[in-house]
Amino acid sequence: NAGVTQTPKFRVLKTGQSMTLLCAQDMNHEYMYWYRQDPGMGLRLIHYSVGEGTTAKGEVPDGYNVSRLKKQNFLLGLESAAPSQTSVYFCASSYSFLVDRSTDTQYFGPGTRLTVL
Amino acid sequence: AQSVTQLGSHVSVSEGALVLLRCNYSSSVPPYLFWYVQYPNQGLQLLLKYTTGATLVKGINGFEAEFKKSETSFHLTKPSAHMSDAAEYFCAVSATPGGSYIPTFGRGTSLIVHP
Repeated sequence: NAGVTQTPKFRVLKTGQSMTLLCAQDMNHEYMYWYRQDPGMGLRLIHYSVGEGTTAKGEVPDGYNVSRLKKQNFLLGLESAAPSQTSVYFCASSYSFLVDRSTDTQYFGPGTRLTVL
Repeated sequence: AQSVTQLGSHVSVSEGALVLLRCNYSSSVPPYLFWYVQYPNQGLQLLLKYTTGATLVKGINGFEAEFKKSETSFHLTKPSAHMSDAAEYFCAVSATPGGSYIPTFGRGTSLIVHP
């Protein structure tokens, strides 16, 4: 049971380049999330998904796109990277909060450190 | 709408001293409240959570938190700090049915433990 894994762990991009971050979970969770963490800002939700084939915008979605083609994977894309997207990105997953709120617990991946020059 | 305020971006204590990390929340429905811990270069892991029932919640590593509805607070405490407690701590609230109960996180408090 690997939990939540993220690929890659580190990446350096030049402004304007594109990339995709991959998140995978093996806990059969319905919900998946992408956050960015910046000093003094805590975790800010970029996009999330409440099930396979569905996605929704979070607090800071601009400049990012996501896809959830398979239940266990959640991809975060940057089409044209900007220095403002330099951050640590965390993926998380959980059971459906709408089904049973008592199961509320998010499981986080180890993070991807992205630098955009 | 739901929100979380963590008072103090940094808290410094001596080893063996009481740890108190403050969290206040706002919500329009009964909240679920969480504390997560993040050790350097790692992801977040759940420390404890309040859902319903007993307002004093015990978590891992000797931490506990008390839900006080009248004060809209969920402060995290530990009687005696260890060097290994040095980490970033995040409070989160889940309270918005229209938002699928997606949790909102505070900005985090960095706990520094001095020998």
